[in-house]
Amino acid sequence: EAAVTQSPRNKVAVTGGKVTLSCNQTNNHNNMYWYRQDTGHGLRLIHYSYGAGSTEKGDIPDGYKASRPSQENFSLILELATPSQTSVYFCASGDFNSNERLFFGHGTKLSVL
Amino acid sequence: GQQVQQSPASLVLQEGENAELQCNFSTSLNSMQWFYQRPEGSLVSLFYNPSGTKQSGRLTSTTVIKERRSSLHISSSQITDSGTYLCAMEAGNMGYKLTFGTGTSLLVDP
Repeated sequence: EAAVTQSPRNKVAVTGGKVTLSCNQTNNHNNMYWYRQDTGHGLRLIHYSYGAGSTEKGDIPDGYKASRPSQENFSLILELATPSQTSVYFCASGDFNSNERLFFGHGTKLSVL
Repeated sequence: GQQVQQSPASLVLQEGENAELQCNFSTSLNSMQWFYQRPEGSLVSLFYNPSGTKQSGRLTSTTVIKERRSSLHISSSQITDSGTYLCAMEAGNMGYKLTFGTGTSLLVDP
C-alpha cells in the first residue's frame, strides 16, 4: 500500500509566525498535492507539483508557498500565518499518467492563534 | 460556481439498507475518483473510475462521462460504513489535479 507521511500531526502557531508542514511519500509518484479541508468547503487545492523542482498554484494559493526539493518530499510554507489558515491540511501523491489513484496522508491539524 | 455537486449532503440508514450517492459535474472531465473519509479524518481511495462501472465488495461505482455524473452504490450497509464519502473530478483542461465535492455524510445505525 502506498505511503504518505505528514508531519507534524498537530500544530499550534501564533499569528505572524512561520509554519512549515512537511510531507514524504515512498510511492515514487511524480505528482504531489496540498489540500486544506474546512467545513462547508470540502477539500480545496492549495499547491501541487509534477516532480522535483516544480510547484504549481492550485485554487487557493494566496498566503502559501510550496517547495518540492526531491521526488519524495513536498512542503507547504506559511510565511506569515493568520487565523484564517486554521484548518486541516492534507498531502497527497498520485500519478495520473498511469491512471493511479490519489493517496493521502493522515492530515495535519493547524491552529493559528 | 461549484464544479462538483454531491447529493445527498447527509444520509441516515438502518444497518442492512442500501444507499445511492450521487456526484454531478458542471464541466467536462477526464476521470473521477471516490474517497471515503473515516470519522477520525483519514482519507481512503475507493475507486478510480474514469468511465463505466466498477465493483469492490459491497461498493459499486458508475460513471457516465457524457452525462457528467457518477454514483456510488452501497449495498447491505454496515455500521462501519459510517463516515463521509467524497467524489472528485479531474477536469479536461486543468492538468493532473482533482477538484472535490463537499461530501455525503453517512450514518448507519444498528
